[in-house]
Amino acid sequence: SAVISQKPSRDICQRGTSLTIQCQVDSQVTMMFWYRQQPGQSLTLIATANQGSEATYESGFVIDKFPISRPNLTFSTLTVSNMSPEDSSIYLCSVGILAGETQYFGPGTRLLVL
Amino acid sequence: DAKTTQPPSMDCAEGRAANLPCNHSTISGNEYVYWYRQIHSQGPQYIIHGLKNNETNEMASLIITEDRKSSTLILPHATLRDTAVYYCIVRVADYGGSQGNLIFGKGTKLSVKP
Repeated sequence: SAVISQKPSRDICQRGTSLTIQCQVDSQVTMMFWYRQQPGQSLTLIATANQGSEATYESGFVIDKFPISRPNLTFSTLTVSNMSPEDSSIYLCSVGILAGETQYFGPGTRLLVL
Repeated sequence: DAKTTQPPSMDCAEGRAANLPCNHSTISGNEYVYWYRQIHSQGPQYIIHGLKNNETNEMASLIITEDRKSSTLILPHATLRDTAVYYCIVRVADYGGSQGNLIFGKGTKLSVKP
């Protein structure tokens, strides 16, 4: 399995600002995903981060709100833009070593928006 | 929506086997059964997965019924550290489109008690 790290691990932000979350993997992976977990809820997929092309977003999530970058096979960023208190969640990076294989999750980034 | 049904909560005595059921009556022939768990404030941890045969690893055993409409995750000797939310997920082992994504339901909150 891959070792996945996320930065920051937690943050408190003001309404209207933006936060960029980084996900770093210790080996090259085919697939990278971003999930959100709102307080007391299960995980929801935001988007698939595609290397060298635009991310693929799930219904209800848009690029303007959650821009994603994936410059190489070991790194991705998720930006939460123009934040509101409703964006307070845990944001999780997940990776798949090969297409169709098991996904592994990072430790998450805990975001509180005031 | 999640394609699985799990009890919302279960208790288990420390040292005893924990048997977590999951119903997936609409599972397709090319869909695997995956189990993850999420210990409080951490990212989900992969446990085990299977297609139709029973599987065992160092963490748990997975028993899948012959008709594949249900399965049971078995933690043979539960410890207090196994207290977590356990998620049963079915997905195809192919990342084409959104079919390969992990869709999380609400899971089962397992409480291991001394």
